[in-house]
Amino acid sequence: DTEVTQTPKHLVMGMTNKKSLKCEQHMGHRAMYWYKQKAKKPPELMFVYSYEKLSINESVPSRFSPECPNSSLLNLHLHALQPEDSALYLCASSHRQGLGPDTQYFGPGTRLTVL
Amino acid sequence: DQQVKQNSPSLSVQEGRISILNCDYTNSMFDYFLWYKKYPAEGPTFLISISSIKDKNEDGRFTVFLNKSAKHLSLHIVPSQPGDSAVYFCAASAAGTYKYIFGTGTRLKVLA
Repeated sequence: DTEVTQTPKHLVMGMTNKKSLKCEQHMGHRAMYWYKQKAKKPPELMFVYSYEKLSINESVPSRFSPECPNSSLLNLHLHALQPEDSALYLCASSHRQGLGPDTQYFGPGTRLTVL
Repeated sequence: DQQVKQNSPSLSVQEGRISILNCDYTNSMFDYFLWYKKYPAEGPTFLISISSIKDKNEDGRFTVFLNKSAKHLSLHIVPSQPGDSAVYFCAASAAGTYKYIFGTGTRLKVLA
């Protein structure tokens, strides 16, 4: 089983709203990731959590706030977003045990539209 | 600085023929390479990977070849099927890092 689930599938929000994206995996993976993907572009890494601690923040604006409540869950809290933040937000997870090759498995994504 | 490049934005192939998708990289620290397939508005699906200690890895209809001296990898799909029509991304990572660097993708269209 290599399933990563994401909710909601679609989200429309105004610039003053607060919303959250949710990601879940039950593969025992210890690393979880948020990516942003714009149309016709590759996924861009935003955040990495390793063993529930934030390991990488790719200089993401503070209007995006990640949270990892436990090893299976990853949230992305959104506040005061801009229309240019509209994109497909992808969650991924990987084993990340040791330094060897590590495959990331992606969820289906949340299509976010900011009005 | 585009460390992973897919120079062909699109490729059309007849059903039953071979599809060859190419990827070049510049960072010699990369030692693990992956191919993902992506349908519109969906997340990337992992297809196949290869470690730098190998030059070939095969899984069913999919084979990935790695040429380290040329810093080049390719994905072969044989035989191609209409359901293979999607965008294909190659990705690369270095040992001990969490980062994948993705190429810009190649849109494959398999014609029935």
